[in-house]
Amino acid sequence: AQSVTQPDIHITVSEGASLELRCNYSYGATPYLFWYVQSPGQGLQLLLKYFSGDTLVQGIKGFEAEFKRSQSSFNLRKPSVHWSDAAEYFCAVGPIMEYGNKLVFGAGTILRVKS
Amino acid sequence: NAGVTQTPKFQVLKTGQSMTLQCAQDMNHEYMSWYRQDPGMGLRLIHYSVGAGITDQGEVPNGYNVSRSTTEDFPLRLLSAAPSQTSVYFCASSYGGQKNTEAFFGQGTRLTVV
Repeated sequence: AQSVTQPDIHITVSEGASLELRCNYSYGATPYLFWYVQSPGQGLQLLLKYFSGDTLVQGIKGFEAEFKRSQSSFNLRKPSVHWSDAAEYFCAVGPIMEYGNKLVFGAGTILRVKS
Repeated sequence: NAGVTQTPKFQVLKTGQSMTLQCAQDMNHEYMSWYRQDPGMGLRLIHYSVGAGITDQGEVPNGYNVSRSTTEDFPLRLLSAAPSQTSVYFCASSYGGQKNTEAFFGQGTRLTVV
């Protein structure tokens, strides 16, 4: 069965420090992978996606993620965190076409940024 | 370009009341879905539709009904609200029949059942 694990429920980093959010997945075929961000009281915004090709993908707001097939991981990184990055981040795998392009989400990682 | 629009944004219901969460998309997407988001559980699929007139159940369908009479609209009905349905609900849409497609999400509806 497909699943996504985000091992860190909460992460706190200082403003200006680097960030890495972990994501591990289980998926039978070649996965399509996504990172979404949800700012407080807001909806879901797509940060980046991996479909194929270069395993290092660039996204919006200075984020990047690296797909490592051997480790079944798709970790999200940012070299220098800004206070406005405080939000909840979700990793997702899919789409599962048998269920209307369903995405399987991880439980989320809440990022706190301290000044 | 509005994308996916959900209404209302906030709602408080009493136990036993019914209501409909509205979702509309203007991207001519075939596929639409409803998810609920609960702390520590990510998003879970409630119902989905692969086209007008076609709906099916996701992981957590109990207590919810859907219909898809048009390509644009996919309302979610709570038949008799329960406190366990307190959650944030997201509607999503995407092109169908292909894997390399991204899902577009609405802004969410925050529902509290008291």
